[in-house]
Amino acid sequence: QQQVKQSPQSLIVQKGGISIINCAYENTAFDYFPWYQQFPGKGPALLIAIRPDVSEKKEGRFTISFNKSAKQFSLHIMDSQPGDSATYFCAAPTFQGAQKLVFGQGTRLTINP
Amino acid sequence: NAGVTQTPKFQVLKTGQSMTLQCAQDMNHEYMSWYRQDPGMGLRLIHYSVGAGITDQGEVPNGYNVSRSTTEDFPLRLLSAAPSQTSVYFCASSYTGTPRTEAFFGQGTRLTVV
Repeated sequence: QQQVKQSPQSLIVQKGGISIINCAYENTAFDYFPWYQQFPGKGPALLIAIRPDVSEKKEGRFTISFNKSAKQFSLHIMDSQPGDSATYFCAAPTFQGAQKLVFGQGTRLTINP
Repeated sequence: NAGVTQTPKFQVLKTGQSMTLQCAQDMNHEYMSWYRQDPGMGLRLIHYSVGAGITDQGEVPNGYNVSRSTTEDFPLRLLSAAPSQTSVYFCASSYTGTPRTEAFFGQGTRLTVV
């Protein structure tokens, strides 16, 4: 069974700083690693995803870095803003079955103004 | 567009009661799933369906039943509620059954079992 370990559980960053959230996975049959963002009282929504034929993907202030040999990937939020305060989940596909994403434990990010 | 709609948003049950959490999507997605979210545990898959008439168990299926009679609807039934089922429940759908497609989540049902 796929395990995804996400850290830290909570993170406080000053406005304008860099937020970094890390995930480690055990195995996967599919190369697709998404990050979901969840605001209080809402369902998660896809933020950014990477297919690790590349080691990095950038969309605006959000960047995923992927290290296939170490089985780790991370989310970097540059110039963090109070509006980025949310819970972030990484996910990895399971080894078997269709669309069985295994999610990390979540990181509650707070950006102080 | 409504997307994925879950009802109710909040529910309090007594131990032993049964209830059905409703989920409907209007995007003609084949794949639908149910997750529960607990503090420090992330999102854990309860059941999923790859199309009408086809369902399968996820990571934490005990105490829950599902059925998929139409493409649009995927209800989750709690047979005999227990305090351990206190959680926030999310329904999600995606276009295909592959992990590479975006999952669209509903706004959740906060369930408390007393």
